[in-house]
Amino acid sequence: KQEVTQIPAALSVPEGENLVLNCSFTDSAIYNLQWFRQDPGKGLTSLLLIQSSQREQTSGRLNASLDKSSGRSTLYIAASQPGDSATYLCAVRSYNTDKLIFGTGTRLQVFP
Amino acid sequence: DAGVIQSPRHEVTEMGQEVTLRCKPISGHNSLFWYRQTMMRGLELLIYFNNNVPIDDSGMPEDRFSAKMPNASFSTLKIQPSEPRDSAVYFCASTRTSGSRDEQFFGPGTRLTVL
Repeated sequence: KQEVTQIPAALSVPEGENLVLNCSFTDSAIYNLQWFRQDPGKGLTSLLLIQSSQREQTSGRLNASLDKSSGRSTLYIAASQPGDSATYLCAVRSYNTDKLIFGTGTRLQVFP
Repeated sequence: DAGVIQSPRHEVTEMGQEVTLRCKPISGHNSLFWYRQTMMRGLELLIYFNNNVPIDDSGMPEDRFSAKMPNASFSTLKIQPSEPRDSAVYFCASTRTSGSRDEQFFGPGTRLTVL
């Protein structure tokens, strides 16, 4: 059974710092991995999707990497801003299913 | 594109009442997912449909929960009778699983409170 873990659970950093959020999964036979952002009281917004054949994806100040063999993904946020404050969730899709298994999220606060 | 549309956005009801949540997926998407999010359990998949057919309902908590997708542009999640422990935010998401980029797109959610 696939399990997804995110560390740390919460993170508070000053504006301008580069930071890394971690996601680990127990079954490396994944189809893809998706990173989401959730603002308080809102739905989830897709940030990046990495297919199993890819090593990384980039969008603006965000870079997500994938190491299937070790069961890990990281989300790198460069030059963090207060507007980046949100909860970040990773989710894994395995082969032969359309289901996403979500981690518990990392709650990020970037203060001015 | 309007994105995934959910209604109502907020629902407050009394224990024992029937609750119906509605979802309109993004046009052209062929898969639809119902999730529930709580502080204790995080985000859980309840059921998903592919081409209007229920594929996996193993996450549906019990018989009080039912979901339908009568056509490609509409789905409902019904709770009857509702209980206080059903209080949560319910999200609907859709995707086009046949595409090379099968990101799931989420609706804004329905916040359900059962008194």
